[in-house]
Order: sequence, then C-alpha cells, then structure tokens
Amino acid sequence: SAVISQKPSRDICQRGTSLTIQCQVDSQVTMMFWYRQQPGQSLTLIATANQGSEATYESGFVIDKFPISRPNLTFSTLTVSNMSPEDSSIYLCSVVSGRLDEQYFGPGTRLTVT
Amino acid sequence: QQQVKQSPQSLIVQKGGISIINCAYENTAFDYFPWYQQFPGKGPALLIAIRPDVSEKKEGRFTISFNKSAKQFSLHIMDSQPGDSATYFCAASINDYKLSFGAGTTVTVRA
Repeated sequence: SAVISQKPSRDICQRGTSLTIQCQVDSQVTMMFWYRQQPGQSLTLIATANQGSEATYESGFVIDKFPISRPNLTFSTLTVSNMSPEDSSIYLCSVVSGRLDEQYFGPGTRLTVT
Repeated sequence: QQQVKQSPQSLIVQKGGISIINCAYENTAFDYFPWYQQFPGKGPALLIAIRPDVSEKKEGRFTISFNKSAKQFSLHIMDSQPGDSATYFCAASINDYKLSFGAGTTVTVRA
C-alpha cells in the first residue's frame, strides 16, 4: 500500500486565518481525495483532487472555502480559508492504490480554530 | 442523509469474545464495501474489504459477511483482543471510489 504523510500533524489557528495542509504520497497515484472528520464523528468527503485540473467538490463544500491544488501525482494541498471554530476537525487525505485499488488514508491533520 | 447506516454505536466485549458490527445501505449501485479501523489520533486503516460477487471474506480474525438481497454487510471480529479496542467504520462506494461512511462503532474489549 502507499505510504502517505501529511503536514502539519496538528495546528491551532485563529479565526479568520487560513491554513494549508500538505499531503505527500510515496508513489504516483491517480485518485486522491480530501475528507473531514469532525470531533467524534464519521468521515465526510470534501473533494476529489484532480491532477492538472480543478478539484471536484461534494455538496456543501466550495472552492472558495477549501481550495485544493494537485500539481502532480504524488502531492496535493488543501487550504482551509477564513477559518471559524466550526472548521475544527481532522482533515485527511486518501489515495487509491495497489493491485486491488484499495483506498488508504493519511494520518490526518488535527485543526483547532480558536 | 447518511447512505450507510451502522450499528451499534458502541459495544463492549470480553477478551476472546466475538464483536459484530452491522451496516445497511440503500444505493444498489454500491459495489465496494471496506471496513476501517481507527485508533485515537490516527488516520483510518483499511482492515478488510469485499465486493458484491462474494458473500463472505475472511482475513485472520476478521470476517465480512455480505447479503446483497438484504443490502446489508457486517464485520465479525473473532477472539477479540484488548488491542482491537478502536472505532470501526464501514463504508461503501460505486466505481468512482468516493467513500460514504457509516457513523462508526466504538469497540471496547475488556481483558
């Protein structure tokens, strides 16, 4: 399976500011996603990070709030813009990898907005 | 609305016992059903997955049972160990790999 790293692992941010989260994979992958996990909750898909084109957002998520870049097949960033306390969550990237097209998750970025 | 419904919300089992977690779905287009295990402060780890062409899949102490007609699937953890104490999520997707997750089940294994 692919090895996925995320930076930062956690951060505490002031409301109104923005944070960019990085996701790095140790091999080229076609499919890469960003998920959000609110405290004590399940995971919700934010968007599909498309290489070389604009990300595809799920209902309830917009590009102005969560801009995503994917410059190549091993790297992506998610920015959480103009943060509010409601954005306090764990943000996770995932990739589809392996012979059986399984989906694997990174360790997550724990964001607290004060 | 949640496309995958998971139960129970939590369960406690004695060491050596069997943990059973159930999930139900409505979208008949789903064709991939993974289970993830998550420890506090960690990302979800893929445990086992099944596709609708089989009714059961076993990997070690973990077994998925799949009932296509009932639109249900379940995870059985045999010989539960304290190290199995974690939150378990079922999920489902169609051929676009976008996962819809269940609400999660917190499993506590008592020694």
